[in-house]
Amino acid sequence: AQSVTQPDIHITVSEGASLELRCNYSYGATPYLFWYVQSPGQGLQLLLKYFSGDTLVQGIKGFEAEFKRSQSSFNLRKPSVHWSDAAEYFCAVGVSGGYNKLIFGAGTRLAVHP
Amino acid sequence: NAGVTQTPKFQVLKTGQSMTLQCAQDMNHNSMYWYRQDPGMGLRLIYYSASEGTTDKGEVPNGYNVSRLNKREFSLRLESAAPSQTSVYFCASWGSQETQYFGPGTRLLVL
Repeated sequence: AQSVTQPDIHITVSEGASLELRCNYSYGATPYLFWYVQSPGQGLQLLLKYFSGDTLVQGIKGFEAEFKRSQSSFNLRKPSVHWSDAAEYFCAVGVSGGYNKLIFGAGTRLAVHP
Repeated sequence: NAGVTQTPKFQVLKTGQSMTLQCAQDMNHNSMYWYRQDPGMGLRLIYYSASEGTTDKGEVPNGYNVSRLNKREFSLRLESAAPSQTSVYFCASWGSQETQYFGPGTRLLVL
């Protein structure tokens, strides 16, 4: 069965520090992979997605993610975190088949210290 | 272009009451989805509709029913609400950019 694991429930970083959020997936075929961000009380906003091609994907707000098939991972990175990046981040895998369901990880809550 | 809209934003119900959560999208998308979000569990798919006139169960369908009224609208009904259905509910649609677009959510409290 398809699944997504985000091993870190909470992460705290200092403003200006680098960030890496981990995501591991389980899916038999080539996955569609997504990272979404959710600010408190808000809906989900797409940060970036991977379908094929270059395994390093650039997204909005200075985020990037790297697809590593050998490790079944799709980790999200940002070189310098801003206080406004404090939010919850969700990794998801898309199950293709005409209806494109997403399976989400449990999320990682990011806190940013000044 | 409003994207995906949901009503109501907040709702308090008593156990056993019924209600319908409304969702509409103006992006001409075929596929629509209902998720619930609970702390520490991410988003879980309740029901989805691949196209107008079709609906299918997701991961957690028990206690819910859905209606795909037309291409734009996809409603979620709780026939007899239970405290376990206290959650935040998100509607989404799948677009040509191979991306799911989410509504702002409905916060439901069942007492």
